[in-house]
Amino acid sequence: DAGVTQTPRHEVAEKGQTIILKCEPVSGHNDLFWYRQTKIQGLELLSYFRSKSLMEDGGAFKDRFKAEMLNSSFSTLKIQPTEPKDSAVYLCASSQQGQFYAEQFFGPGTRLTVL
Amino acid sequence: GDSVTQTEGLVTLTKGLPVMLNCTYQTTYSPFLFWYVQHLNEAPKLLLKSSTDNKRTEHQGFYATLHKSSSSFHLQKSSVQLSDSALYFCALSGLDTNAYKVIFGKGTHLHVLP
Repeated sequence: DAGVTQTPRHEVAEKGQTIILKCEPVSGHNDLFWYRQTKIQGLELLSYFRSKSLMEDGGAFKDRFKAEMLNSSFSTLKIQPTEPKDSAVYLCASSQQGQFYAEQFFGPGTRLTVL
Repeated sequence: GDSVTQTEGLVTLTKGLPVMLNCTYQTTYSPFLFWYVQHLNEAPKLLLKSSTDNKRTEHQGFYATLHKSSSSFHLQKSSVQLSDSALYFCALSGLDTNAYKVIFGKGTHLHVLP
């Protein structure tokens, strides 16, 4: 079975641009998470979907970050407009629905650099 | 609110020595604890998980015991290898209406020297 896939693996953007990151969860998983990873803050939850419904929109990230899940096998994270402080690794993860003890399967991440 | 604390940002030691990475948590709910490992330029992967008090769980030479009395879930290995160099995250999930949400600690870098 394929794991979580993310594209692109690397993205370089100018300040003020719009970028869209893509994620395909593990087949059959209904929970999907977007995280931002930095050395200082560690892993921060941006968004959480259960069966395509947005359950968590990440509070402080609502402003310029928008995650969508148009179908059960594809999700996007849009950052608009980008700022240099958005430079980080963005991780997508999926898990089986409704199990609080479920393992999260992570994708390889997208490394975003905003100039 | 719920939280996870990993006190060490970086642990450096020589191959063959034992290691313990600290993890403590705070929650009012029945906890489920995880350790994830992330090697350089790779995705985080599950290493261990447990919800049973005072029971040791093991995988790939690593082990941890959940102690609810002290709210701890420290990760240990008796003899580290060069390949163990990685970033280790402790994570907490609580049995609650928001149980789907996992809270991660900030991670501990383990650097193993030859």
